[in-house]
Amino acid sequence: SQQGEEDPQALSIQEGENATMNCSYKTSINNLQWYRQNSGRGLVHLILIRSNEREKHSGRLRVTLDTSKKSSSLLITASRAADTASYFCATPSTGFQKLVFGTGTRLLVSP
Amino acid sequence: KAGVTQTPRYLIKTRGQQVTLSCSPISGHRSVSWYQQTPGQGLQFLFEYFSETQRNKGNFPGRFSGRQFSNSRSEMNVSTLELGDSALYLCASSAGLVSTGGTDTQYFGPGTRLTVL
Repeated sequence: SQQGEEDPQALSIQEGENATMNCSYKTSINNLQWYRQNSGRGLVHLILIRSNEREKHSGRLRVTLDTSKKSSSLLITASRAADTASYFCATPSTGFQKLVFGTGTRLLVSP
Repeated sequence: KAGVTQTPRYLIKTRGQQVTLSCSPISGHRSVSWYQQTPGQGLQFLFEYFSETQRNKGNFPGRFSGRQFSNSRSEMNVSTLELGDSALYLCASSAGLVSTGGTDTQYFGPGTRLTVL
């Protein structure tokens, strides 16, 4: 079963707009990661936020984490057509190095 | 640093056959994890190896197995293939130093697309 549920499942925006994706998870975590996947390809690591952090930035990406609500959000500012991809949140599970992925948000950015 | 490499990139097999997939982690990484991605089940954890030892295993049948070599390269094997094994198989490498219940940043390879006919 999947730990994270992402919302929305799909998002369609125009270039230059901001895109916000949300992730909810079920159990206590020590970190949360966001990944991007272009169609049928491998996952690209975007950002890792630790449980004692509330917000983290990387370029045009801004990630927030609310451990009291067991939720995280990924904001992509000034989106580009190249940002078109699926975005997944992932949280650690029991045992070593096991990530449990959310269902993903499919983002389409139109020129 | 070179990224994670997986071979082959594409495979077509028939039911009942077996298949071996290979993964070379980032230099210096000792942990390799494997995931299966399907449209219906999403991304599912298969197993993780660290210094040639399997430390963690997901909920997959015994037909799915793996191993890791002394140079940290890893292989996974699927025996007696079924149609439902058609998937994108991803491996990820990490330093593997975070203790149980945690993860390091994991770096994924491009995947092997397996089609079972």
